[in-house]
Amino acid sequence: DAGVTQSPTHLIKTRGQQVTLRCSPISGHKSVSWYQQVLGQGPQFIFQYYEKEERGRGNFPDRFSARQFPNYSSELNVNALLLGDSALYLCASSSSRGSSEKLFFGSGTQLSVL
Amino acid sequence: GDSVTQMEGPVTLSEEAFLTINCTYTATGYPSLFWYVQYPGEGLQLLLKATKADDKGSNKGFEATYRKETTSFHLEKGSVQVSDSAVYFCALSSYGGATNKLIFGTGTLLAVQP
Repeated sequence: DAGVTQSPTHLIKTRGQQVTLRCSPISGHKSVSWYQQVLGQGPQFIFQYYEKEERGRGNFPDRFSARQFPNYSSELNVNALLLGDSALYLCASSSSRGSSEKLFFGSGTQLSVL
Repeated sequence: GDSVTQMEGPVTLSEEAFLTINCTYTATGYPSLFWYVQYPGEGLQLLLKATKADDKGSNKGFEATYRKETTSFHLEKGSVQVSDSAVYFCALSSYGGATNKLIFGTGTLLAVQP
């Protein structure tokens, strides 16, 4: 079975632009979460979606938004990019939303903002 | 708020040496605790987890015990291999939450030399 897939793998944008990152969860998984990992730090939680509804939001500005589609894939959008948005964006899926649930991570999208 | 603190790296060991990576946490209630590993160029993978006090998680020779009295979840392995070289993240998920949001430590780079 395919794991969590993310696209694109790398992206270069300039300040002020908008970006859309995509994630396909493992087949059968209904929960998708997004994390931002700045170089040298641990991942920071951005959003969780379960059954197409937002279930959790981290401490990120409103420039960050996401949605989940009927097939449980997800998109993360970031508007008005700042240099500080440069990071590895990780998507994770799980079969449920419980707190002890194992998360399966994709390899990430490396975003560089110039 | 909830947080995770883990020892800074890098940790450099010779093959077959004993490994300990310290992790302590601050949380309300009874969180689930995890160790994730990130190999170069890959996404995070769950290494082991424990969901209640005194539970021991184990996998691939790695072990960690959930110590509520010391709020710790130290990772140990008796004999490391070169293939264990990676970044290790300690993480928690709050008990009873409606999400499986993970709070990560900053990560510890392990380098094992032959």
